[in-house]
Amino acid sequence: DQQVKQNSPSLSVQEGRISILNCDYTNSMFDYFLWYKKYPAEGPTFLISISSIKDKNEDGRFTVFLNKSAKHLSLHIVPSQPGDSAVYFCAASSSNTGKLIFGQGTTLQVKP
Amino acid sequence: KAGVTQTPRYLIKTRGQQVTLSCSPISGHRSVSWYQQTPGQGLQFLFEYFSETQRNKGNFPGRFSGRQFSNSRSEMNVSTLELGDSALYLCASSANPTDSYNEQFFGPGTRLTVL
Repeated sequence: DQQVKQNSPSLSVQEGRISILNCDYTNSMFDYFLWYKKYPAEGPTFLISISSIKDKNEDGRFTVFLNKSAKHLSLHIVPSQPGDSAVYFCAASSSNTGKLIFGQGTTLQVKP
Repeated sequence: KAGVTQTPRYLIKTRGQQVTLSCSPISGHRSVSWYQQTPGQGLQFLFEYFSETQRNKGNFPGRFSGRQFSNSRSEMNVSTLELGDSALYLCASSANPTDSYNEQFFGPGTRLTVL
């Protein structure tokens, strides 16, 4: 049972344009959501997070949107840069377990 | 502050063997989680240890086990290796796993290949 799903295995965008990565979840107990970025041969690194009490969190070029009614979150990268090319994982947790559940990942390629 | 370290970085084993992977968390972090990453499956949660006790467990067979030592270092063991166990095994540490804002810091992983 995949509680966190990233239905797009890959995404390709042009440098300078917006990248939108999507994530859906099924467990309504999740109250905290995170995005991680992973380069080859490295472990995932934390990018940005959002609590369920918010619907938007922004950090520089990265913005995460949360739609609780649709159980959907998205990561927007504007403007996209070639260095953003990586695998992006969304993750969710609930305060009663603290366990992080990850999606399958989306490979983003930003073309110069 | 040193990050999460994992040893070895690469490992080749044959079917039926067993393997032990090691993880040293960030200094001061008391929680260690293990994940298996395979293509198309994302990061599958294996287990989490906190203060030498297994706090959470994923849906993996009993061939996968782990432990945590008093210095928070953790090991995971896989017995009777199968070809499907070939994967990147990631370790992550966090300061306070009881906090829902459970940001985890990952190590570089151990790439296990089973022949």
